[in-house]
Amino acid sequence: NAGVTQTPKFQVLKTGQSMTLQCAQDMNHNSMYWYRQDPGMGLRLIYYSASEGTTDKGEVPNGYNVSRLNKREFSLRLESAAPSQTSVYFCASISKEVGGYTFGSGTRLTVV
Amino acid sequence: GQQLNQSPQSMFIQEGEDVSMNCTSSSIFNTWLWYKQDPGEGPVLLIALYKAGELTSNGRLTAQFGITRKDSFLNISASIPSDVGIYFCAGQLTGNQFYFGTGTSLTVIP
Repeated sequence: NAGVTQTPKFQVLKTGQSMTLQCAQDMNHNSMYWYRQDPGMGLRLIYYSASEGTTDKGEVPNGYNVSRLNKREFSLRLESAAPSQTSVYFCASISKEVGGYTFGSGTRLTVV
Repeated sequence: GQQLNQSPQSMFIQEGEDVSMNCTSSSIFNTWLWYKQDPGEGPVLLIALYKAGELTSNGRLTAQFGITRKDSFLNISASIPSDVGIYFCAGQLTGNQFYFGTGTSLTVIP
């Protein structure tokens, strides 16, 4: 099925560990995004990539890095995880046809 | 970042009742979107609005783009149990970046 695929679905990290969240879309969209969702705060943009080869900071980029590997894939890396990064992370891509974002099903990350 | 004020924060209603929620901003937006999120899933787009004053329906859902371009409303008629979830508004200023409201949690009591 066409859509946005995120892996892993769940992850527990120790403080200071690193990991990469993977995202891939098969809809040939140019723009891809990483959001984090915290209780009472809605979705906040971490980084986005308007097209292959470009990335830009969003509202809350500190502590994260991203890579737009190709048109399909956009990964989010935590170099040294902190408890404040415990959150649900959503990847999304956008199409003019849909008129808005298509979201993946999320990665639930806990940093202890 | 941009502040979108979404209200109410939560609603508990009887099955069959109508629901209204809204989103306001201090900024003028070019596009308003409404999403629904089921537990454990990502948000799913319900309705997209592109012009001030626009009124758009999707089944029992109706949304409006406010005339001032600083607000939007979502109504759900004759609620059913599967309407349960969190509803988010999102507004677009320029480019492809959207700002999200904090969500309205809807509980439908059978």
